Amino acid sequence: GAVVSQHPSRVICKSGTSVKIECRSLDFQATTMFWYRQFPKKSLMLMATSNEGSKATYEQGVEKDKFLINHASLTLSTLTVTSAHPEDSSFYICSARPAHRGTGAFFGQGTRLTVV
Amino acid sequence: DQQVKQNSPSLSVQEGRISILNCDYTNSMFDYFLWYKKYPAEGPTFLISISSIKDKNEDGRFTVFLNKSAKHLSLHIVPSQPGDSAVYFCAASVQGAQKLVFGQGTRLTINP
Repeated sequence: GAVVSQHPSRVICKSGTSVKIECRSLDFQATTMFWYRQFPKKSLMLMATSNEGSKATYEQGVEKDKFLINHASLTLSTLTVTSAHPEDSSFYICSARPAHRGTGAFFGQGTRLTVV
Repeated sequence: DQQVKQNSPSLSVQEGRISILNCDYTNSMFDYFLWYKKYPAEGPTFLISISSIKDKNEDGRFTVFLNKSAKHLSLHIVPSQPGDSAVYFCAASVQGAQKLVFGQGTRLTINP
């Protein structure tokens, strides 16, 4: 089946630094990818929709200058957490959905970000 | 506003028995529903989906039921196996939109 690969799976960074997370669709083209964040014991919260070749669409309450999204190709989207703070520590997950709606979205493995 | 709700945060079932996970939604525009399984520190894995034109979809041990009038769907797993222990999320989308709205998840534990 379709595979979405996310990297890195785990990262620890110092406060004030930036962290880039990559999301790749390995066997299909994805004009749209999605970035989610999961807080402990909470649902997956959609942060933004990444659109290939254009600006990302952010959900209400998500700071676009803090969470930079770049969807430079049909198989790669990146999320950069800028000037990270401890409250940004979370589990970030990307997803992409093949063009035909007969399948669900496929998710990356997730990235556990810890800001110290 | 939680448009997709899973009111049971956890569920314990004996191995071999049926597991029933429930999900309610409020947005009548939703027309496509999905169930995902998630292990700790991993991304969700797609399990099964159902379109609003159907009321049942079956795939092996997994069956999803949709009751549109009640805005309710359920996932049945039978027989339950220890490897089914995970967090299960239901999700919904509106026709033509790829964006998914997730429920809070239900932690299923299968006891030997």
